Amino acid sequence: AQKITQTQPGMFVQEKEAVTLDCTYDTSDPSYGLFWYKQPSSGEMIFLIYQGSYDQQNATEGRYSLNFQKARKSANLVISASQLGDSAMYFCAMREINTGFQKLVFGTGTRLLVSP
Amino acid sequence: DVKVTQSSRYLVKRTGEKVFLECVQDMDHENMFWYRQDPGLGLRLIYFSYDVKMKEKGDIPEGYSVSREKKERFSLILESASTNQTSMYLCASRITGRTNKNTEAFFGQGTRLTVV
Repeated sequence: AQKITQTQPGMFVQEKEAVTLDCTYDTSDPSYGLFWYKQPSSGEMIFLIYQGSYDQQNATEGRYSLNFQKARKSANLVISASQLGDSAMYFCAMREINTGFQKLVFGTGTRLLVSP
Repeated sequence: DVKVTQSSRYLVKRTGEKVFLECVQDMDHENMFWYRQDPGLGLRLIYFSYDVKMKEKGDIPEGYSVSREKKERFSLILESASTNQTSMYLCASRITGRTNKNTEAFFGQGTRLTVV
């Protein structure tokens, strides 16, 4: 069964510094996708970045990059040059292509606080 | 602009009431999902639907049912509300993805339900 683990309940970072949010996953399906979402205090879920299991390169989207280590089953989110507006909950999620039947499973989330 | 709309932002109901949470999407997506979000537990999947009148149980279906009579609408029903169902409920929709390419889920704004 697919499973996502986020072991950091909270993280602190100073403005303009980089931060890494950890995510490990477990699946027996060789074809899967990994997602990161941001949830500000207003509550909406904002899609940030996607990595497919067959993608050769790590995904990047502006200040967000995904450190994908397939053998270790980890998909850490790296936020470069943190901004105050990055303070939010961050969720890692996974979808199995062959066996997950369209399900998207989430981790427990990491609360990031960016200080001036 | 893609949109997933949940009928209420805040809801207060009494124990034992039958509660309906409505979700509508305008993107012609086949798949729709209901999650509940609790602190420290992340997003947990209650039910999902991959087509009209089709439904599948998620990880925590007990005490809930769903209805999908039209493609754009997915309803979550609490047959007899209990205080342990006080939570944030999030609806999402997504196209069917049979490959490893990105198929992000789009979320509604959430319904904060309090059962007293």
